[in-house]
Amino acid sequence: DTEVTQTPKHLVMGMTNKKSLKCEQHMGHRAMYWYKQKAKKPPELMFVYSYEKLSINESVPSRFSPECPNSSLLNLHLHALQPEDSALYLCASSQEAGGNQPQHFGDGTRLSIL
Amino acid sequence: GQNIDQPTEMTATEGAIVQINCTYQTSGFNGLFWYQQHAGEAPTFLSYNVLDGLEEKGRFSSFLSRSKGYSYLLLKELQMKDSASYLCAVRGEDSNYQLIWGAGTKLIIKP
Repeated sequence: DTEVTQTPKHLVMGMTNKKSLKCEQHMGHRAMYWYKQKAKKPPELMFVYSYEKLSINESVPSRFSPECPNSSLLNLHLHALQPEDSALYLCASSQEAGGNQPQHFGDGTRLSIL
Repeated sequence: GQNIDQPTEMTATEGAIVQINCTYQTSGFNGLFWYQQHAGEAPTFLSYNVLDGLEEKGRFSSFLSRSKGYSYLLLKELQMKDSASYLCAVRGEDSNYQLIWGAGTKLIIKP
């Protein structure tokens, strides 16, 4: 079990659907991250929130829209996704963004786009 | 450019010792992390090195040489559950937030 909780664990959606991925942590961490991971590849950073403000947006297409309602929650809103967006989406958190703080990952949401 | 190299796959025997190497070329250096990832699961943090030398944590140790751009993860008394991918990640100087990830080393443990 991880201390970063992600829901749902699996999601299958069509290209016209709208869905949201959710992430929650109660470790008092002030930095939260979204990563995308394809099979046999390392995680690719998508977004970083530091103190509930978006710090980094790694040129991610606008069909992915992050939201940080409070310091414990992070959402990723999905709309009009493409088949190549099928991947494991990982949420992570750390005490601060940077320094020697390790990132703690959730178990991920496995997303399949039909 | 920024690059991290790890072997793609390694095989070792239960009870033995294995060393997984990682070499990096990055714009600056602010620490190196090792993560373990079992298939279909989240990466879990193993170790952090920012100064040269060896950090030991139970059966796992991690070594860093900044002058050589080199690290290794040493796993002792291997167990079947150690079969996983091991990811090396470096925090460069350009950004305090981003980690530059290696592609990972898939470790297969045989009885």
